[in-house]
Amino acid sequence: DAGVTQSPTHLIKTRGQQVTLRCSPKSGHDTVSWYQQALGQGPQFIFQYYEEEERQRGNFPDRFSGHQFPNYSSELNVNALLLGDSALYLCASSLGGRGGYTFGSGTRLTVV
Amino acid sequence: QQQVKQSPQSLIVQKGGISIINCAYENTAFDYFPWYQQFPGKGPALLIAIRPDVSEKKEGRFTISFNKSAKQFSLHIMDSQPGDSATYFCAASMSTGGFKTIFGAGTRLFVKA
Repeated sequence: DAGVTQSPTHLIKTRGQQVTLRCSPKSGHDTVSWYQQALGQGPQFIFQYYEEEERQRGNFPDRFSGHQFPNYSSELNVNALLLGDSALYLCASSLGGRGGYTFGSGTRLTVV
Repeated sequence: QQQVKQSPQSLIVQKGGISIINCAYENTAFDYFPWYQQFPGKGPALLIAIRPDVSEKKEGRFTISFNKSAKQFSLHIMDSQPGDSATYFCAASMSTGGFKTIFGAGTRLFVKA
């Protein structure tokens, strides 16, 4: 039973560029949440997708956007990258958003 | 009000000892309190969780104690092992609005052999 799959695992981008991160949820899960984890800190909630719509959003600027597809997979897009966007981006899936999450191993984004 | 405060930041315990990590929250709308374990290079993994209608939950060597009136909860790891060395996050979520989960800042646990 595949868990949460994220791609790519590592990424280096230049300031001002745009990036797209991808996530396939655990089989049977329909809700995808995205988190940003800076080094040595706890995950910070970016947004959550359910039924192809953004259901909740954390305190992140509009440069962060997302999408959920009919097969429940999801993308996180970040425009106009800043050095401060360098972090581990985690995707977590769940069923209806309830209960505990299953996390992927994340995408390590470095902005130079 | 959305914060979850976690302490200590780091913890060193001897093998066989008890590791205790504490968390506090403000928002009484939180109704689900999970703990996650994260190893370097991996995403967090759900360890154990509790709802506010019970005061304690035990799974193997891991126990959550929950004090609703004090708005505090803690993780106890009994008979701590070197393999338990990891970062532990407490979290809180509310069923209204889709179970958005707020995480604490984490505790780095090192168990000395």
